[in-house]
Amino acid sequence: DSGVTQTPKHLITATGQRVTLRCSPRSGDLSVYWYQQSLDQGLQFLIQYYNGEERAKGNILERFSAQQFPDLHSELNLSSLELGDSALYFCASRDPRVAGELFFGEGSRLTVL
Amino acid sequence: SQQGEEDPQALSIQEGENATMNCSYKTSINNLQWYRQNSGRGLVHLILIRSNEREKHSGRLRVTLDTSKKSSSLLITASRAADTASYFCATGYNTDKLIFGTGTRLQVFP
Repeated sequence: DSGVTQTPKHLITATGQRVTLRCSPRSGDLSVYWYQQSLDQGLQFLIQYYNGEERAKGNILERFSAQQFPDLHSELNLSSLELGDSALYFCASRDPRVAGELFFGEGSRLTVL
Repeated sequence: SQQGEEDPQALSIQEGENATMNCSYKTSINNLQWYRQNSGRGLVHLILIRSNEREKHSGRLRVTLDTSKKSSSLLITASRAADTASYFCATGYNTDKLIFGTGTRLQVFP
């Protein structure tokens, strides 16, 4: 158990819909990272937050948005969903005092029909 | 675009054999990390090697880093069926925007 909690574990929805994925980082971790893993794209970095502020941005679509709340949990919002958005979405957190290591949640599997 | 690319994409070996995976990356890095992912599960950190280190060991894992060639290798010695998983290298400068490679799928047959 990494200490990072993601909900929901599985989500099935239709094209055009909007979903919210939630992540609770490890206790004390200020950084939260979001990654998308699909079969043909590998693990793609989406966005990182540090203590409520956006720190780094990757290949995140304009239809996607994220935020980190004062209690440090984070949400990834996916809207106008397309079939190609079907993927595993991972959240990871990190203790800024420890170089490098990310702790990953078990992911949210999104299926868009 | 991916920062790292692993080679081979897939590897099948027998228990007891050694498994070697390679990672190439494109830009300067501060450190390189290796992660393991069991099918459909979250990634688990294995080992981190800093840019000023050339080799690092952890149990049955040995990692090398050649910054002049922008490459790293992960060696798993005396492999076990439980080592069956995908292995990813990840690179970053200060680990913000940590970028993962495409992964090597390792299958270890009993």
